[in-house]
Amino acid sequence: NAGVTQTPKFQVLKTGQSMTLQCAQDMNHNSMYWYRQDPGMGLRLIYYSASEGTTDKGEVPNGYNVSRLNKREFSLRLESAAPSQTSVYFCASKLGTPIETQYFGPGTRLLVL
Amino acid sequence: GDSVTQMEGPVTLSEEAFLTINCTYTATGYPSLFWYVQYPGEGLQLLLKATKADDKGSNKGFEATYRKETTSFHLEKGSVQVSDSAVYFCALSDQGGSEKLVFGKGTKLTVNP
Repeated sequence: NAGVTQTPKFQVLKTGQSMTLQCAQDMNHNSMYWYRQDPGMGLRLIYYSASEGTTDKGEVPNGYNVSRLNKREFSLRLESAAPSQTSVYFCASKLGTPIETQYFGPGTRLLVL
Repeated sequence: GDSVTQMEGPVTLSEEAFLTINCTYTATGYPSLFWYVQYPGEGLQLLLKATKADDKGSNKGFEATYRKETTSFHLEKGSVQVSDSAVYFCALSDQGGSEKLVFGKGTKLTVNP
């Protein structure tokens, strides 16, 4: 099992460019999440998908869109990148009950110039 | 809404010292509580969890007890090692539909030989 994988590992964008961050899990989990991590802020939820076919906004959704392509894959899209979106992005997944553990990917470091 | 407050860092200790990282929470209902650890350049890994009051989570010599009366989940280890140097995050699992994790801001621990 690879667990949760994310691509790319690192990306540099210019302001206004678009990109899609990819996430996949091979644990047959129902729920998937996108977080961003900024210094001194902990992790904040951007979007989540409680099950295949559903997506919902989290705490900081502005400037992002998501797609739950199938049960395995959950992508995060930045349509027009801004310097404020410079961050480390983590994808996570869990089976689907409150007591279950969320498993995190290795992260994507994004720099927007 | 739900929130987690953990002690500000950074924390610097000598090898074999006792570690406590305080964590308190505010939540409606009975959330599950987690400690995650992030080693340099990596994603988050579950360290331990507790799903109901008075439960004690433990792993790799770390322990934390779910105290409902004080709404706390303090992390302790009797004798830290250099390899414990990392950032530690306290989190709770939202009991609503998203079951998202709400994180504290993280505490950076450095252990010197």
